[in-house]
Amino acid sequence: AQTVTQSQPEMSVQEAETVTLSCTYDTSESDYYLFWYKQPPSRQMILVIRQEAYKQQNATENRFSVNFQKAAKSFSLKISDSQLGDAAMYFCAYRGGADGLTFGKGTHLIIQP
Amino acid sequence: DAGVIQSPRHEVTEMGQEVTLRCKPISGHDYLFWYRQTMMRGLELLIYFNNNVPIDDSGMPEDRFSAKMPNASFSTLKIQPSEPRDSAVYFCASSTGLGLNEQFFGPGTRLTVL
Repeated sequence: AQTVTQSQPEMSVQEAETVTLSCTYDTSESDYYLFWYKQPPSRQMILVIRQEAYKQQNATENRFSVNFQKAAKSFSLKISDSQLGDAAMYFCAYRGGADGLTFGKGTHLIIQP
Repeated sequence: DAGVIQSPRHEVTEMGQEVTLRCKPISGHDYLFWYRQTMMRGLELLIYFNNNVPIDDSGMPEDRFSAKMPNASFSTLKIQPSEPRDSAVYFCASSTGLGLNEQFFGPGTRLTVL
């Protein structure tokens, strides 16, 4: 079974600074998909960014980008110019070919004003 | 677009009672997923449907849990009998496919079993 590990239960960053959230996963598949979801206190799950494993280029969505290292099975999320609205739980998720999402335990991101 | 709709938003019940959670996926989405979120176990996939047919129910914790999708616009997750350890937030999500397709989540139902 695939597993997703987020080793940082909590991270704190100053507003306007950059923060990187870590995610590693374990799989024997060669083709798969990776996601980062954000869950603010409202509890709504919001897709932040996604990446296909066979694409070498790292995905970018405005202030959010990923560092995908396939050999290392690592998929970290970088948030640039952090804003107060970025404060939330962030979940890394994995999907194989015909599966639902497997989530990590999450990282609680705190933005210091 | 109303998004994924779940009801009720909050449910408080007593141990042993039957609980039914409801979900209306986004129109046109042919995949529907049920997830459970707890502090201890995080977000777990319980079951998912494709075109109203259950495809993978390996995440359903035990026989007390059952899920149905009688048509493309409605699904239920039933727990009978409920136990305190079932207390969690239950999310429904829908999508137009697997792979890189985005899953759109509902607001969740917070279930408390006393």
